[in-house]
Amino acid sequence: EPEVTQTPSHQVTQMGQEVILRCVPISNHLYFYWYRQILGQKVEFLVSFYNNEISEKSEIFDDQFSVERPDGSNFTLKIRSTKLEDSAMYFCASISGGRETQYFGPGTRLLVL
Amino acid sequence: EDQVTQSPEALRLQEGESSSLNCSYTVSGLRGLFWYRQDPGKGPEFLFTLYSAGEEKEKERLKATLTKKESFLHITAPKPEDSATYLCAVRGLQTGANNLFFGTGTRLTVIP
Repeated sequence: EPEVTQTPSHQVTQMGQEVILRCVPISNHLYFYWYRQILGQKVEFLVSFYNNEISEKSEIFDDQFSVERPDGSNFTLKIRSTKLEDSAMYFCASISGGRETQYFGPGTRLLVL
Repeated sequence: EDQVTQSPEALRLQEGESSSLNCSYTVSGLRGLFWYRQDPGKGPEFLFTLYSAGEEKEKERLKATLTKKESFLHITAPKPEDSATYLCAVRGLQTGANNLFFGTGTRLTVIP
């Protein structure tokens, strides 16, 4: 069964460093998302992406964040200058055109020291 | 503003002891209510999508129902492997084109 994959599974970085989180959505899906979940808190929407551009973003998704689909399979989230409060699980999700259900990847646990 | 409240926060059941989890929601123009299961350190795993009041869906020991104000996830004769956090999420006209608004979840523990 097709699934969303994410790399790395864990990342530790120093405050102020740039990180890139990678996702490979399900192959025939057209809409892509990033969510985050701070430990013990709820899953929060960051950004949605369709047709090679951002379709919606939350207040969390400020100028430090960017997304890109550099090729036909990868979808990346970049944090330019990480802060302590960026420590969280980051989930990628995708959805096929005309469908409603988002399928989530296993997540990347980001720890900013 | 969209609101999703899940109760209880945590639930401990004996194996075989049936129960229900609640998800109360306030959303402008419901476009779907979603149930996910989340194991520790893992991503949400899709269970059900409900669209309109009166709708019900079943999968193994789980049954999801929907009214105009809340959804229930009924667990019949649970087994230890059903232990997980169950997340409810909605998508509405204000939530955005496709993104989901999640509740904080109910952490279920099933004791053998």
